[in-house]
Amino acid sequence: DAGVTQSPTHLIKTRGQQVTLRCSPKSGHDTVSWYQQALGQGPQFIFQYYEEEERQRGNFPDRFSGHQFPNYSSELNVNALLLGDSALYLCASRRDLTDTQYFGPGTRLTVL
Amino acid sequence: SQELEQSPQSLIVQEGKNLTINCTSSKTLYGLYWYKQKYGEGLIFLMMLQKGGEEKSHEKITAKLDEKKQQSSLHITASQPSHAGIYLCGADITGANSKLTFGKGITLSVRP
Repeated sequence: DAGVTQSPTHLIKTRGQQVTLRCSPKSGHDTVSWYQQALGQGPQFIFQYYEEEERQRGNFPDRFSGHQFPNYSSELNVNALLLGDSALYLCASRRDLTDTQYFGPGTRLTVL
Repeated sequence: SQELEQSPQSLIVQEGKNLTINCTSSKTLYGLYWYKQKYGEGLIFLMMLQKGGEEKSHEKITAKLDEKKQQSSLHITASQPSHAGIYLCGADITGANSKLTFGKGITLSVRP
């Protein structure tokens, strides 16, 4: 049983560019959340998707957007990248509200 | 200030020693999760606690939830080098059981 998978593993971009990160949830899970983890900090909630809709959003600007597909996989898009967007981006999935969130290995984004 | 405070910030113990780390919330806890993270990698789920007084164990790790104190502790018995890593507590402090709020994490080193 595959767990949560994310791609790519690492990514290097320059300021002002746009980036798309991808996440496939654990089998049987229908809810996907995205978190940003800066160096030395705990993960910060970006948003959560359920039934292809954004259900809840954290304190992140509109430059951060997402999408969930019918197969429950999800994308995180970040526009107009800033140096401060450099972080580990984590995807977590769960079986709606009743289950534990399981995390993927993360995508390390570096903005130069 | 942080909604979830973890203490100590870091810990170095000799292999075979016991240790306890703590997570204290400034808000009501509706669910408390412990995760372990290797540097730069994803979060590995350890345990979830939901009821006051609840205690769970897995191998040599025991977690307890003190609902009145809004605090959880994680105890490791006879520590091993494999226990080294960053321990993160995450909590549902909204009651909506959707997003998790995390502490900054505790870095544990185990000296052989």
